[in-house]
Amino acid sequence: KAGVTQTPRYLIKTRGQQVTLSCSPISGHRSVSWYQQTPGQGLQFLFEYFSETQRNKGNFPGRFSGRQFSNSRSEMNVSTLELGDSALYLCASSLAATDGIQYFGAGTRLSVL
Amino acid sequence: GNSVTQMEGPVTLSEEAFLTINCTYTATGYPSLFWYVQYPGEGLQLLLKATKADDKGSNKGFEATYRKETTSFHLEKGSVQVSDSAVYFCALSGRGSGGSNYKLTFGKGTLLTVNP
Repeated sequence: KAGVTQTPRYLIKTRGQQVTLSCSPISGHRSVSWYQQTPGQGLQFLFEYFSETQRNKGNFPGRFSGRQFSNSRSEMNVSTLELGDSALYLCASSLAATDGIQYFGAGTRLSVL
Repeated sequence: GNSVTQMEGPVTLSEEAFLTINCTYTATGYPSLFWYVQYPGEGLQLLLKATKADDKGSNKGFEATYRKETTSFHLEKGSVQVSDSAVYFCALSGRGSGGSNYKLTFGKGTLLTVNP
């Protein structure tokens, strides 16, 4: 069974641009969560989608948004990039997200210049 | 809200040394507790879990016991190997802000380096 796939693995953008990251969950998993990982703040929860609906949201500004498609694939978008958005963005999938067992992708490393 | 506090490290040990990484939590209700591990260049993967008080989770020689009285879930291993070098995250699963759905709350991670 293929794992969680995130694309692209690396991105370099400049301030003010926008970016879209993609996540393909494990087949059969309907829940997809997104996290931002930085050395200073650690892992911070962005949002979670289940069956195309956002079920949970972290404390991030509205510049961060996401969506989930009918095949459970998910995208997150960051508009008007800031230097502080430089981070590793991790996607995780699970069957139902109620037991805490999540399967993580390798992440997308975003650098904002 | 829910929170997890773990020793930040870094922790540097020699091979075959004993490892303890402390983790304490704050949560309402009865959360499940987890240790996830992140090897260099990879995403996180579940190491072990415990779902109720006094449960002991174990995997690959690592152990952690869910202590409700001290709200702790310390990770231990009797004899570490070079291949255990990674970042270790303590986490809890509890209800999110919406009240009806669960989300994982992570500690900040502890970098472990094991030298031969």
